[in-house]
Amino acid sequence: GQQVMQIPQYQHVQEGEDFTTYCNSSTTLSNIQWYKQRPGGHPVFLIQLVKSGEVKKQKRLTFQFGEAKKNSSLHITATQTTDVGTYFCAAGRFNKFYFGSGTKLNVKP
Amino acid sequence: DAGVTQSPTHLIKTRGQHVTLRCSPISGHKSVSWYQQVLGQGPQFIFQYYEKEERGRGNFPDRFSARQFPNYSSELNVNALLLGDSALYLCASSLSSGRKETQYFGPGTRLLVL
Repeated sequence: GQQVMQIPQYQHVQEGEDFTTYCNSSTTLSNIQWYKQRPGGHPVFLIQLVKSGEVKKQKRLTFQFGEAKKNSSLHITATQTTDVGTYFCAAGRFNKFYFGSGTKLNVKP
Repeated sequence: DAGVTQSPTHLIKTRGQHVTLRCSPISGHKSVSWYQQVLGQGPQFIFQYYEKEERGRGNFPDRFSARQFPNYSSELNVNALLLGDSALYLCASSLSSGRKETQYFGPGTRLLVL
């Protein structure tokens, strides 16, 4: 079954608006990873979160890991057209890896 | 340095046929994982191999099999193809097999089953 649930499925924003995608698990995770997949491309690793309550920033991207290590979020400030793509969270459990269903971001110029 | 390479890039097969997909990991990486990505969905984990041994297996039928060679390259085999096997097959390499390893994905093989 699905180990990580991701919402929303789609998000359409105007360039300059903010964007957030959420990842939730019913079980405690040891870590969570975030990937970006451009249209027609392959997933590219963005970041990994390991510690409870951890917050990491990459320029306009802010990643958070929940205190209970069951949820995570990715927030993009002031989106740009280069942010277009699908954002996936992923977690490992019992030698298997589970990707969320992804949030497809479309940015209108 | 070369990234993860996969071959072929595209493939068209008919139902019932067999297919072999190939993957070469990043130099120095000893682990290879295979994923199936159906259009509009996230990658689904099929297998992970590390040092030529299977370390993880997803919920796929026995028609799917894989192996890893001494040079750490890998093959994914799918027998008795079904229409539903049409997907992008992704290979990811990592240094080792741990859950916290960063995975580097290849460009994928797009398989169409008619």
